[in-house]
Amino acid sequence: GENVEQHPSTLSVQEGDSAVIKCTYSDSASNYFPWYKQELGKRPQLIIDIRSNVGEKKDQRIAVTLNKTAKHFSLHITETQPEDSAVYFCAAVYSGGGADGLTFGKGTHLIIQP
Amino acid sequence: NAGVTQTPKFQVLKTGQSMTLQCAQDMNHEYMSWYRQDPGMGLRLIHYSVGAGITDQGEVPNGYNVSRSTTEDFPLRLLSAAPSQTSVYFCASSYTGGLDEQYFGPGTRLTVT
Repeated sequence: GENVEQHPSTLSVQEGDSAVIKCTYSDSASNYFPWYKQELGKRPQLIIDIRSNVGEKKDQRIAVTLNKTAKHFSLHITETQPEDSAVYFCAAVYSGGGADGLTFGKGTHLIIQP
Repeated sequence: NAGVTQTPKFQVLKTGQSMTLQCAQDMNHEYMSWYRQDPGMGLRLIHYSVGAGITDQGEVPNGYNVSRSTTEDFPLRLLSAAPSQTSVYFCASSYTGGLDEQYFGPGTRLTVT
């Protein structure tokens, strides 16, 4: 099955600075890579996703890059704001046995320092 | 639309007890799934369903059963609760499957003593 590694586990940045979270995956057949944000006590919510036929995708202050050769993808948040403080999860869709459930990384706790 | 709903929000069980976590969605999604979230472990897939009458195992299925008799409902049954099943459980749904945005329910916090 798929294995997703996510780094760092905790990231503290000054408000206004950029934050980068990195993930690697193991199954070269994976072709969909979403990022979810989870605020304390809340449900995960999709913030951006990328498919294997695209190298980069942007949505305002958030961008995701994908390197299929190296099997890694990254989340970039620019001009960080206090409301960006949350746990961020990357995920990859594995294809073992015909299943297409998501395999999540273990999460990054992003802390925005005022 | 209510989206994805889960009941109960909190539950305490004794070891060996059984119970069912309820999940329902009103978005006419074909794909539904259950995840458990443990500190430092991310979300792990327990079971999923690609449509009514079809279910399959995810990464951590042992100790759990599911069924999908309707498009709307996807209950998760704990057969004989164990302390290792203490976790937060999230139900999710999407239009077509894993290659689609997952809409999560609010979660059920389960404690097994």
